[in-house]
Amino acid sequence: DAGVIQSPRHEVTEMGQEVTLRCKPISGHDYLFWYRQTMMRGLELLIYFNNNVPIDDSGMPEDRFSAKMPNASFSTLKIQPSEPRDSAVYFCASSLALGEETQYFGPGTRLLVL
Amino acid sequence: QKEVEQNSGPLSVPEGAIASLNCTYSDRGSQSFFWYRQYSGKSPELIMSIYSNGDKEDGRFTAQLNKASQYVSLLIRDSQPSDSATYLCAVNTPLVFGKGTRLSVIA
Repeated sequence: DAGVIQSPRHEVTEMGQEVTLRCKPISGHDYLFWYRQTMMRGLELLIYFNNNVPIDDSGMPEDRFSAKMPNASFSTLKIQPSEPRDSAVYFCASSLALGEETQYFGPGTRLLVL
Repeated sequence: QKEVEQNSGPLSVPEGAIASLNCTYSDRGSQSFFWYRQYSGKSPELIMSIYSNGDKEDGRFTAQLNKASQYVSLLIRDSQPSDSATYLCAVNTPLVFGKGTRLSVIA
């Protein structure tokens, strides 16, 4: 398996622009997670899905952030409008189940908002 | 607010020594504990998981869990320069991560 795939790997945009991050989980994994990593706050869970249904979005920082999972092989995280404080590395991860199952992380998208 | 605390380091150890990484957590009901390794510019990868009190060994790595003290540790024996990375402690489901401890193994 190719592992978790994320695109783009790097994104530079200007404040106010819409940003869309994409993720393809490992085939057969029922859980998909979006994380954000910064030096100040570390690795934070934004939202996770089970069988394409959002389960917990309490980590989404504000209404500018939205996430969707239209099918088992694709998810998006959208920021509209983007702000400089959104600059971070965004990781997508997937797992077979919660609890004792390993989460596999994608390579991340490095976002810089100018 | 569930919290996971780690010393940010950097922790520097000579090659061949034992590196000891520590983590405390706030949720007394936590059941699942994980150590992830993250090389600079890369994504986290799982190296150890532990679910019951005591020690769990896997090669050069030993995870230790003490639920009464709400404490998890990771020991790396015979440390190698290739072990230089940030080690993230994660607790529960879904995961709550500490900010990580940066380990530097000096050749």
